[in-house]
Amino acid sequence: DSGVTQTPKHLITATGQRVTLRCSPRSGDLSVYWYQQSLDQGLQFLIQYYNGEERAKGNILERFSAQQFPDLHSELNLSSLELGDSALYFCASSADYASFNEQFFGPGTRLTVL
Amino acid sequence: AQSVTQLDSQVPVFEEAPVELRCNYSSSVSVYLFWYVQYPNQGLQLLLKYLSGSTLVESINGFEAEFNKSQTSFHLRKPSVHISDTAEYFCAVSDAGSARQLTFGSGTQLTVLP
Repeated sequence: DSGVTQTPKHLITATGQRVTLRCSPRSGDLSVYWYQQSLDQGLQFLIQYYNGEERAKGNILERFSAQQFPDLHSELNLSSLELGDSALYFCASSADYASFNEQFFGPGTRLTVL
Repeated sequence: AQSVTQLDSQVPVFEEAPVELRCNYSSSVSVYLFWYVQYPNQGLQLLLKYLSGSTLVESINGFEAEFNKSQTSFHLRKPSVHISDTAEYFCAVSDAGSARQLTFGSGTQLTVLP
């Protein structure tokens, strides 16, 4: 158990819909990362937050957005969903924003768009 | 920008045999290098990392990786594998200067056969 929790574990929805994925980092960790893992794209970095502020942005679509709240939990919002958005979405946390710190991954949310 | 190439998508090997998982990276700047492991139905876990100093780094479960700057490689090795090593292994790189997000390779599925 990494100490990172993600809800829900599974999500099935239809094209055009909007969903919210939630992540609670390890106790004491200030940085949260979101990743998308799919068979064709592999593991892609989406976005990073540090202590409530956006720190780095990767291959995140404009239809996707995220935020980190004062209690440090984070939410990833996916809107106007397409079939290609079906993937496993991981949240990870680390002590601070520097990449040399170990990232602790949650178990993931599996999103299926029908 | 950095990129990572994991040359083998699948590596089957018999129990107690040695294994090498290959990783090559591309970067014009100094880098940090990582190997993460993903067991079935779990998130990723850090296996080992190279930040600076000795080019040979070891994990607690018998894996080692050697940073080779001239060949831009960070291959992962284990002299004798166990069934429990069956997992997907991801190589990742980060720019050491900015210490921003990780770029992951496409992963290598290691399957240890009895």
